[in-house]
Amino acid sequence: GAVVSQHPSWVICKSGTSVKIECRSLDFQATTMFWYRQFPKQSLMLMATSNEGSKATYEQGVEKDKFLINHASLTLSTLTVTSAHPEDSSFYICSARGGGHWGYTFGSGTRLTVV
Amino acid sequence: QKEVEQDPGPLSVPEGAIVSLNCTYSNSAFQYFMWYRQYSRKGPELLMYTYSSGNKEDGRFTAQVDKSSKYISLFIRDSQPSDSATYLCAMSANSGNTPLVFGKGTRLSVIA
Repeated sequence: GAVVSQHPSWVICKSGTSVKIECRSLDFQATTMFWYRQFPKQSLMLMATSNEGSKATYEQGVEKDKFLINHASLTLSTLTVTSAHPEDSSFYICSARGGGHWGYTFGSGTRLTVV
Repeated sequence: QKEVEQDPGPLSVPEGAIVSLNCTYSNSAFQYFMWYRQYSRKGPELLMYTYSSGNKEDGRFTAQVDKSSKYISLFIRDSQPSDSATYLCAMSANSGNTPLVFGKGTRLSVIA
């Protein structure tokens, strides 16, 4: 089945530093990946759509200079939270479509805590 | 009105019960329907996916879609404590690489 690997699963960083989260499709190619943010007991909020070889499309209200997305290959997309602040603390999840069915497969998520 | 409505619960049932989870939607263009299960602090896991109206069964899980009523359901038979999780419905209008539209999720607890 389709597998999306996301790393790290948990990270703590100091305010003002940057954090990079990786999302890899392990057994299929993903021309498009999606990045979500989830607050406790809330549903997923789409942040951006990542397209291989081109610029990401950001949802309204999401700062593209703060949440840098790079999709340099068909199997890897990265989200970098720049100059992180405590309010950026959240659960970040990526997803991609493929692997033999048209359902979307999600990564295991990254819990970011900014102190 | 939100595109996808889902009762957040929480829903608590005894072990062995039949669980019914539901979503309604407003966009008649939706054709692809999915149910995801999300355990705490984990990414969503795809449970079922269906196209257009009809039923689909997989083990203890049955997904139903009624496009005329814009209503989808997920039934869990013989529920187990391990089914305790948040269940999210999701849908899209096409099979291309467009983002899914999610419900808020229903928190389910199955009590042993």
